Amino acid sequence: DTGVSQDPRHKITKRGQNVTFRCDPISEHNRLYWYRQTLGQGPEFLTYFQNEAQLEKSRLLSDRFSAERPKGSFSTLEIQRTEQGDSAMYLCASSLSGRASVETQYFGPGTRLLVL
Amino acid sequence: AQSVAQPEDQVNVAEGNPLTVKCTYSVSGNPYLFWYVQYPNRGLQFLLKYITGDNLVKGSYGFEAEFNKSQTSFHLKKPSALVSDSALYFCAVSPYGNKLVFGAGTILRVKS
Repeated sequence: DTGVSQDPRHKITKRGQNVTFRCDPISEHNRLYWYRQTLGQGPEFLTYFQNEAQLEKSRLLSDRFSAERPKGSFSTLEIQRTEQGDSAMYLCASSLSGRASVETQYFGPGTRLLVL
Repeated sequence: AQSVAQPEDQVNVAEGNPLTVKCTYSVSGNPYLFWYVQYPNRGLQFLLKYITGDNLVKGSYGFEAEFNKSQTSFHLKKPSALVSDSALYFCAVSPYGNKLVFGAGTILRVKS
């Protein structure tokens, strides 16, 4: 049983460039979450999907950010025209939602982005 | 607004001693509460959660947490700390059973 995987693990880019991150959730999980974590802070929610539907987006998510989960499996997070303030760890989590209990989210190792 | 406070940036404890990492919460919905641990350059690992029922929740690696509704607290505890417990610990609340709202984290240092 594999956990949540994220690719790449590290990304260095120049300001103004576009970057795309990928997340592969645990296979049977129907929900997928994206969070951003900056140094010294806890993760902050960005957006989440149930199957292929994007159900909620944080106000933190500017127009330069877009996320997709086209077939309800893997997800991509794209940042256009990167800014230095986008430098952070981007975490993906997945869960199995159901009526019986409140879900537990399982996190991937994260993608660390540095914008020069 | 939903929020979580972890009042201590760092907790130091000697190996073999009991440890407590504090967490208080503010939520308008149900207080679904979680603890996660993060090791350097790694993602978050789930430790335990409180949904309802018994106020004492047992989790992974010998950790437990006590839910106190009157004090709006959910402190993480372990009877005997190990050096390998040294890490960054996050408390989180999920008011609607979906997204998590995290505290700023507490660094736990266990010295031998």
